[in-house]
Amino acid sequence: GAGVSQSPRYKVAKRGQDVALRCDPISGHVSLFWYQQALGQGPEFLTYFQNEAQLDKSGLPSDRFFAERPEGSVSTLKIQRTQQEDSAVYLCASSLRLAGEQETQYFGPGTRLLVL
Amino acid sequence: GDSVTQMEGPVTLSEEAFLTINCTYTATGYPSLFWYVQYPGEGLQLLLKATKADDKGSNKGFEATYRKETTSFHLEKGSVQVSDSAVYFCALTLYNQGGKLIFGQGTELSVKP
Repeated sequence: GAGVSQSPRYKVAKRGQDVALRCDPISGHVSLFWYQQALGQGPEFLTYFQNEAQLDKSGLPSDRFFAERPEGSVSTLKIQRTQQEDSAVYLCASSLRLAGEQETQYFGPGTRLLVL
Repeated sequence: GDSVTQMEGPVTLSEEAFLTINCTYTATGYPSLFWYVQYPGEGLQLLLKATKADDKGSNKGFEATYRKETTSFHLEKGSVQVSDSAVYFCALTLYNQGGKLIFGQGTELSVKP
């Protein structure tokens, strides 16, 4: 079956532009996570959904970042008024059941965002 | 705060050499521990995991043992192959935090024929 997919794979934005990044999780997966990975670093948690409910958004770096999953499947991460420090790879992951410390997360290939 | 520290890379080995990538953690409570691998051009994949002290995770010839006394989860493989060249990430999750992964900075492994 299909894995987690993300689009676009690459995005170049001018500073100040708004961007929207899409994640299609594995069908039927309840939990969905977003991570941000700066160059040469490990991924850092941004936010997490259980079905359509956003249960933790403690990792979102500013109020310019917004995520939604309105029907409990596809999710969109939106960044308003992009800044150069937003340049990173944005990773989406999903897991089958309610998120727990032992659940395996399946990652998408990521969207590489470059803000000029 | 809760964190994961990995040995710095890049690590360069010859084929069939023994591999160790060190990972230590700081956590409140008792975490579950994971190794993820990122092959060139691909997404992160779970390599192995251990959910309680003294558990050993293993997969594809890789092993790691959850050592509570030394707060470590070192990754080992007895004989590496060129196809093992990738970036390896150690990570943890904590009870009652929704499963969010806390990652180390990653260790790049390059295996030469």
